[in-house]
Amino acid sequence: DTGVSQDPRHKITKRGQNVTFRCDPISEHNRLYWYRQTLGQGPEFLTYFQNEAQLEKSRLLSDRFSAERPKGSFSTLEIQRTEQGDSAMYLCASRFIGNTEAFFGQGTRLTVV
Amino acid sequence: QKEVEQNSGPLSVPEGAIASLNCTYSDRGSQSFFWYRQYSGKSPELIMFIYSNGDKEDGRFTAQLNKASQYVSLLIRDSQPSDSATYLCAVNRSQGAQKLVFGQGTRLTINP
Repeated sequence: DTGVSQDPRHKITKRGQNVTFRCDPISEHNRLYWYRQTLGQGPEFLTYFQNEAQLEKSRLLSDRFSAERPKGSFSTLEIQRTEQGDSAMYLCASRFIGNTEAFFGQGTRLTVV
Repeated sequence: QKEVEQNSGPLSVPEGAIASLNCTYSDRGSQSFFWYRQYSGKSPELIMFIYSNGDKEDGRFTAQLNKASQYVSLLIRDSQPSDSATYLCAVNRSQGAQKLVFGQGTRLTINP
């Protein structure tokens, strides 16, 4: 499978716990994006990387959120001290800088109880 | 006012008819415009994008852009039950970053 891969697909965690999600982009895609989508809403931009550099972070991304892309390949998104309001689908997308289309992964659905 | 606005629907269209989906945006500096389809529980998939005023056709799909009115639409001809999904309008405000701002989506149902 050469698409964008996200792991895990589902995560249930207790409030206050830390969680980490992984995204493996399409090979050679140098741009990687994280979005969050809640029920009945469109995806909201969180952050994006060009290779290993994090170029922009949304104001939505509180200090409890951190994202990395250490070698310019896969990326991780960590949420510390999760809150119920963090429950959402976390989507990763990647694209090659010269192309228009970004391809989305299947997402990680987080439920905080 | 939201940056990208769509009627959440549901929009119900008989099979074989034309489905018309609309989107308005607030930032006049927006560069490019995208329509995504999202089936329930799945990730968004790109249908088409448009940069310039006017119409752009791809198979049964036509995107229409009017920058003066800050309006984008998607027409689906010969609607099929498989077109039933949520359609997301997205706007790219910056030339390079391709950081998309999405509307809330319109839920479309095609009735056989």
